[in-house]
Amino acid sequence: QKEVEQNSGPLSVPEGAIASLNCTYSDRGSQSFFWYRQYSGKSPELIMFIYSNGDKEDGRFTAQLNKASQYVSLLIRDSQPSDSATYLCAVKEAAGNKLTFGGGTRVLVKP
Amino acid sequence: NAGVTQTPKFRILKIGQSMTLQCTQDMNHNYMYWYRQDPGMGLKLIYYSVGAGITDKGEVPNGYNVSRSTTEDFPLRLELAAPSQTSVYFCASSATGTSGRLGYNEQFFGPGTRLTVL
Repeated sequence: QKEVEQNSGPLSVPEGAIASLNCTYSDRGSQSFFWYRQYSGKSPELIMFIYSNGDKEDGRFTAQLNKASQYVSLLIRDSQPSDSATYLCAVKEAAGNKLTFGGGTRVLVKP
Repeated sequence: NAGVTQTPKFRILKIGQSMTLQCTQDMNHNYMYWYRQDPGMGLKLIYYSVGAGITDKGEVPNGYNVSRSTTEDFPLRLELAAPSQTSVYFCASSATGTSGRLGYNEQFFGPGTRLTVL
């Protein structure tokens, strides 16, 4: 069974600080990795995806991938109260479009 | 475009009752998915479809059935509802073809249906 693991949190960070979220996965054949943000009571929305080892930056978000360690992370720089949400890590199977989701990390940004 | 729509938004069922959760997308996506999300947890794939007339089981299909007679609609049927099916249900869709080097297409989610079985 493919597994995706995340620390459930909550991860409490002061406004303006960096929030660091981690995700590990079991399927060594996985190729594509995604971060979804989910506000309370809302549906998930895609914020980042990465498929090459290293860093990928998009605005205040940076995704980091290390396939050898089966580890993907998300950094949120200059955290804002509006970043308070649950962040879901998802891993795509090698063939097809199915995603396996982690349990999510709840982030609280305090003013 | 409305994107992915789901009805109803909320529903309370008694044990043993049946119902159909409706999902419609207007983006002409071939791929559609049904997930459930239990409190404080991630999403679990129930069923998915790669096109009209083609469906397949996901990780947690027991107690559910699906059909896909059109590209737009992908209803989820619950037969003999049980308290273990209390959850939030999300429908999603994605395009076929390739987007980026590894052939991923973003999944777009509907607003969800909150179901309680008492």
